Amino acid sequence: DGGITQSPKYLFRKEGQNVTLSCEQNLNHDAMYWYRQDPGQGLRLIYYSQIVNDFQKGDIAEGYSVSREKKESFPLTVTSAQKNPTAFYLCASSITSGVEQYFGPGTRLTVT
Amino acid sequence: GIQVEQSPPDLILQEGANSTLRCNFSDSVNNLQWFHQNPWGQLINLFYIPSGTKQNGRLSATTVATERYSLLYISSSQTTDSGVYFCAVNAGNNRKLIWGLGTSLAVNP
Repeated sequence: DGGITQSPKYLFRKEGQNVTLSCEQNLNHDAMYWYRQDPGQGLRLIYYSQIVNDFQKGDIAEGYSVSREKKESFPLTVTSAQKNPTAFYLCASSITSGVEQYFGPGTRLTVT
Repeated sequence: GIQVEQSPPDLILQEGANSTLRCNFSDSVNNLQWFHQNPWGQLINLFYIPSGTKQNGRLSATTVATERYSLLYISSSQTTDSGVYFCAVNAGNNRKLIWGLGTSLAVNP
């Protein structure tokens, strides 16, 4: 089955802990993206990667970090520096940057 | 930067009714996508439509690039059409999608 997987679906953490969200795709897409969605809001871009070993900050990168060591994988780490980490996190990919994006099912992160 | 506005913000329909959702954008775009976010949060691609008209079953979309708007038509709505519909665009050399705030649709049985 081709697609984008995110795990886990729900994640709970204590304040002050770093947490890593997984995103894997088997679509052979070069570009991958991380978005954050808050209740009643649209999506905001955190980081994106146009190709392996390369990534750029999006609009709200502070408190987050990423890596792109493999084409299939683009993990997102939410660090303790992120002031309001509780949100719904969505990963996406596209054949190349700037064209149609496809989304994973998302991870709901709750930090207390 | 480019602005994306969607209307109406909220819509309630009776099952079987038709509706039109609108997306206005403030500058020329390279790409435009319509998505449906279901109640579980999954974003489903509906259309990739920088210009022209496309149809997929009960859904169709039209983008008039010269007038900077796109319309999503839902015919014979069903309760499973409920959720939030988003329009997103990118423009120029910008690789990022710019998102509207969505139209929240509730279809009642």
